[in-house]
Amino acid sequence: QSVLTQPPSVSGAPGQRVTISCTGSSSNIGAGYDVHWYQHLPGTAPKLLIYFNNNRPSGVPDRFSGSRSGTSASLAVTGLQPEDEADYYCQSYDSGVSGSVFGGGTRLTVL
Amino acid sequence: QLQLRESGPRLVKPSETLSLTCFVSGASITTDNYYWAWIRQPPGKGLEWLGSISYRGRASYHPSVRGRLFVSVGSSENQFSMRLSSATAADTAVYYCAKHAISHNMAVWGRGTTVVVSS
Repeated sequence: QSVLTQPPSVSGAPGQRVTISCTGSSSNIGAGYDVHWYQHLPGTAPKLLIYFNNNRPSGVPDRFSGSRSGTSASLAVTGLQPEDEADYYCQSYDSGVSGSVFGGGTRLTVL
Repeated sequence: QLQLRESGPRLVKPSETLSLTCFVSGASITTDNYYWAWIRQPPGKGLEWLGSISYRGRASYHPSVRGRLFVSVGSSENQFSMRLSSATAADTAVYYCAKHAISHNMAVWGRGTTVVVSS
């Protein structure tokens, strides 16, 4: 059971918009700790996609955006492309763990 | 360009110690305000942070492995290591090393190494 809760899967057709939710609690997101998002393709290193809730590292397309409100955060992907098919993880700091916690991951399928 | 590479035995016997090293290239590990972390992904499951250490040796561990996990910074080489004692089948996973800032956003990861705990 992950500390941060994500839907197991989402899907969308090419060109569409999808969102992935990440629900936490008062010891992590709700406490004001930043949320970061990662894209993970099997057999490769996870890639930082969004940091500090809504910032994109250099090279990440602006089709990816993040937001945070209350005890939740979300990742939005617009203009879906086949190469977006991957697993996506949210992450934050948790005061109970005194370290990082991840969501259980969401598999994005491009139909 | 900073690169990380995990190295260690792929097979560990139950009750033995799982040991991995992360070799860092492209930048010095002795950088203030950054931490060096271990994360794992058991088969079919999500990512799990295990522990982090600063180059000055300040370490933090996930409660689930505290007492079994020891993370250290290499004394003479640009590397850091982990030792997980009393390994069980539940420790079978892909193990990643990563670099993160104090805010825990992990900007650089290794490609991961699969470790199986089995007799």
